[in-house]
Amino acid sequence: NAGVTQTPKFQVLKTGQSMTLQCAQDMNHNSMYWYRQDPGMGLRLIYYSASEGTTDKGEVPNGYNVSRLNKREFSLRLESAAPSQTSVYFCASRTFGSLIESPLHFGNGTRLTVT
Amino acid sequence: GESVGLHLPTLSVQEGDNSIINCAYSNSASDYFIWYKQESGKGPQFIIDIRSNMDKRQGQRVTVLLNKTVKHLSLQIAATQPGDSAVYFCAENMSKGSGGSYIPTFGRGTSLIVHP
Repeated sequence: NAGVTQTPKFQVLKTGQSMTLQCAQDMNHNSMYWYRQDPGMGLRLIYYSASEGTTDKGEVPNGYNVSRLNKREFSLRLESAAPSQTSVYFCASRTFGSLIESPLHFGNGTRLTVT
Repeated sequence: GESVGLHLPTLSVQEGDNSIINCAYSNSASDYFIWYKQESGKGPQFIIDIRSNMDKRQGQRVTVLLNKTVKHLSLQIAATQPGDSAVYFCAENMSKGSGGSYIPTFGRGTSLIVHP
């Protein structure tokens, strides 16, 4: 199993450009998450999808949009990139329900630089 | 808002020593806690978890202790090896107001450096 796959691994954008970060998981998880990680800081939640067909804002949603394309795929879009969005972006997934708690499974990240 | 935090940003140990990484949490309603290990250039990887109805859980060379009285979580690594060098994060399931979903919320992390 590949687990959680993120593409691209690296990306450089100019201010104002747009791009979509792709994420796919093959573990049949129902919940998917997008985090960003900045130097010396923990992971901050951008958006999440508790189940297919739903999305919700996390701690730092401004400047981002998401799409839960199907159960496997959850994309993150930057419509107009800003230097403040320079970061490492992690996608994660897990099985979650009212009686189920489980840890997150992470991809290896997309390293984004906005100049 | 309530948050998860760590006491020590960097911990240096000698190979073979035992390591203890601490984490303070302030959300008394949190009922599930997880430790992750992040190696350079990779995503966080699950190490061990514990639910609030337990105060200790052991894995292979790792033990997590939960003290609900003082809202403290610790990760103990026995016989630390150079391969254990990484950043360690604790996370808690923090309830989110709208929708009722539980959101994994992370602390800043502790960098563990193991000297051969």
